[in-house]
Amino acid sequence: GAVVSQHPSRVICKSGTSVKIECRSLDFQATTMFWYRQFPKQSLMLMATSNEGSKATYEQGVEKDKFLINHASLTLSTLTVTSAHPEDSSFYICSAEIRETYNSPLHFGNGTRLTVT
Amino acid sequence: RKEVEQDPGPFNVPEGATVAFNCTYSNSASQSFFWYRQDCRKEPKLLMSVYSSGNEDGRFTAQLNRASQYISLLIRDSKLSDSATYLCVAFLNQGGKLIFGQGTELSVKP
Repeated sequence: GAVVSQHPSRVICKSGTSVKIECRSLDFQATTMFWYRQFPKQSLMLMATSNEGSKATYEQGVEKDKFLINHASLTLSTLTVTSAHPEDSSFYICSAEIRETYNSPLHFGNGTRLTVT
Repeated sequence: RKEVEQDPGPFNVPEGATVAFNCTYSNSASQSFFWYRQDCRKEPKLLMSVYSSGNEDGRFTAQLNRASQYISLLIRDSKLSDSATYLCVAFLNQGGKLIFGQGTELSVKP
């Protein structure tokens, strides 16, 4: 069964609005969560690493003021796309690290498909 | 140069064919490797880990050559249900990052 729950699975919004995506770890505590973005026919690109109780670490080229990450609890991380524009339309996926499971270090949420019109 | 690079694909093969995917990685500090499978518009799912000694899981065989920084995945007796995009992934213990290749699309036809 799913160990990481991501919501919503799909969202369509107008340009200029903000969108919040939630990522929850089920039945385990995730001190670290990762946020990825995937454009069509491209690989998953790590956007940021979210650590519970501290500021997220953003990858080069990712605007931290545009993609707000909050990891306030051990089971919830949120990504807010602020003032979304059509070029932000993408597939956003979160994942959580389970350190005890070496063979599969990350469990993925089911992803959120964002379309900005 | 991309950190993890895969065959561009797509691969179109008939049922029952054997297909091989190749992958190279540039960061010699990469410590673990995986093959993930991603169906259209879905999240990636772990297919198998890759060990230096090579490992097999049913019809799937993965190989790792650290000297050449090369990873492979062999699928034997391919099924229609194998149609998906296969992602080669390197894991950097430092920072716990997964670095994904761009994926190779496989289409198995009847």
